[in-house]
Amino acid sequence: KAGVTQTPRYLIKTRGQQVTLSCSPISGHRSVSWYQQTPGQGLQFLFEYFSETQRNKGNFPGRFSGRQFSNSRSEMNVSTLELGDSALYLCASSLESGTAQSYNEQFFGPGTRLTVL
Amino acid sequence: AQTVTQSQPEMSVQEAETVTLSCTYDTSESNYYLFWYKQPPSRQMILVIRQEAYKQQNATENRFSVNFQKAAKSFSLKISDSQLGDTAMYFCALSGPRFGAGTRLTVKP
Repeated sequence: KAGVTQTPRYLIKTRGQQVTLSCSPISGHRSVSWYQQTPGQGLQFLFEYFSETQRNKGNFPGRFSGRQFSNSRSEMNVSTLELGDSALYLCASSLESGTAQSYNEQFFGPGTRLTVL
Repeated sequence: AQTVTQSQPEMSVQEAETVTLSCTYDTSESNYYLFWYKQPPSRQMILVIRQEAYKQQNATENRFSVNFQKAAKSFSLKISDSQLGDTAMYFCALSGPRFGAGTRLTVKP
C-alpha cells in the first residue's frame, strides 16, 4: 500500500505570495492532519480534515487554510506569506478522526519544505 | 488545555547502551492515548510505541519500552541496546493531537 505523499517536496516563495501544498493520504484513510515543524517550536498542529470537514484546528492565523476533497486528498493554503512561515509542513493520514479519547495512529508524509525569502 | 513537554532538546548515547527520553503532559481527559514518534534524519516520521491511559501495564515494542506514570503525568521512553539507526528526533504526543517539541537523540559508535 502506498504511503502518504506530499507535493511539492521543496518550495521557495517570497513574502506576500501565497502557496498551496498538497497531500494524498494512504488509500482508505479518511482523516488528514497538517502540522508545521520548525526547529524552535517543534511540531505544531494546524488542522485536521475528515470526510471533507474540518474537525479540529490549531492556533494559527486565518492565513492558514485547508480543504479536503471527496477522495480524501487535502490541500493546505497559506496566503500573504511571512518569513516566519518558513518550515517543514507535514501531512499525516489516519483511518478515523482523531479525538482526545481515540487511539489514532497517524502515518506521516515526507513533508514539504517551504522557504520564504 | 492539553500540553506536552519534552525537557531534553538533545541527548546522546553510546551504541549498545540504554537511554531514557522524558516526557510530561497535561490533559483534562480521563481516557487518552500517548505516543512516541521517531523522525530519522531526512526520513518520514513513524510511530514507535503507544500507550492507552487506562492500561496500567507499560507498553513494550522490542528494544523500546515506556514508563507510564499516570498520576505524575509522565511518559518516558527507554531505548535499550541503542543502535546507530536509532539516531533521530523523538516526539512525544498526546491524542488530540498534541506533540512535544522533540528530543534529538544521537547514538555514537
